[in-house]
Amino acid sequence: QQPVQSPQAVILREGEDAVINCSSSKALYSVHWYRQKHGEAPVFLMILLKGGEQKGHDKISASFNEKKQQSSLYLTASQLSYSGTYFCGTEKTNTGNQFYFGTGTSLTVIP
Amino acid sequence: NAGVTQTPKFRVLKTGQSMTLLCAQDMNHEYMYWYRQDPGMGLRLIHYSVGEGTTAKGEVPDGYNVSRLKKQNFLLGLESAAPSQTSVYFCASTPTVDQNTEAFFGQGTRLTVV
Repeated sequence: QQPVQSPQAVILREGEDAVINCSSSKALYSVHWYRQKHGEAPVFLMILLKGGEQKGHDKISASFNEKKQQSSLYLTASQLSYSGTYFCGTEKTNTGNQFYFGTGTSLTVIP
Repeated sequence: NAGVTQTPKFRVLKTGQSMTLLCAQDMNHEYMYWYRQDPGMGLRLIHYSVGEGTTAKGEVPDGYNVSRLKKQNFLLGLESAAPSQTSVYFCASTPTVDQNTEAFFGQGTRLTVV
């Protein structure tokens, strides 16, 4: 039930772009993205809703394909501060409301 | 403005010992969750609660119990700790599970079972 993310890890130089993908075997009613710095708690980045609405970060964009149950996070002109582990998540099931996170993508930005 | 607070932050247990992790939130959120985070595994849901007095199992509930006696508190218990339970545990809360709500996380508890 846990969404699968790809790639597992990526290393970028400052200014380069990256795409992180999130794929679920279950219907995605909305997709959340979080970033976690080493030793810290995950921090909210953005929410993508059915119908295309986005709420959140002004320097990071994302897409949400409801039919394919996939989402992608686009990091453009990366900065050193973008380093961290990115998680996608959320899901509803018919047995109750559960909040699932993906397997994570480690992003390292180097000078 | 505390948000979500977890105690303790670090703990070392011997195999077979028991302990309780406390998660407290001051945002009047209905939903609370416990996750464990292991290298390469992301965040895996252990148990969750959709309101005071209710709990439910997540992906990896074995070896853990939870209670939500008060709306603001969600307790995670290990009755007989095992080395496989060495992990970083995160608590999170949301107002509801809805399309518009973000999850707020505690700072984590690093647990080592020896």
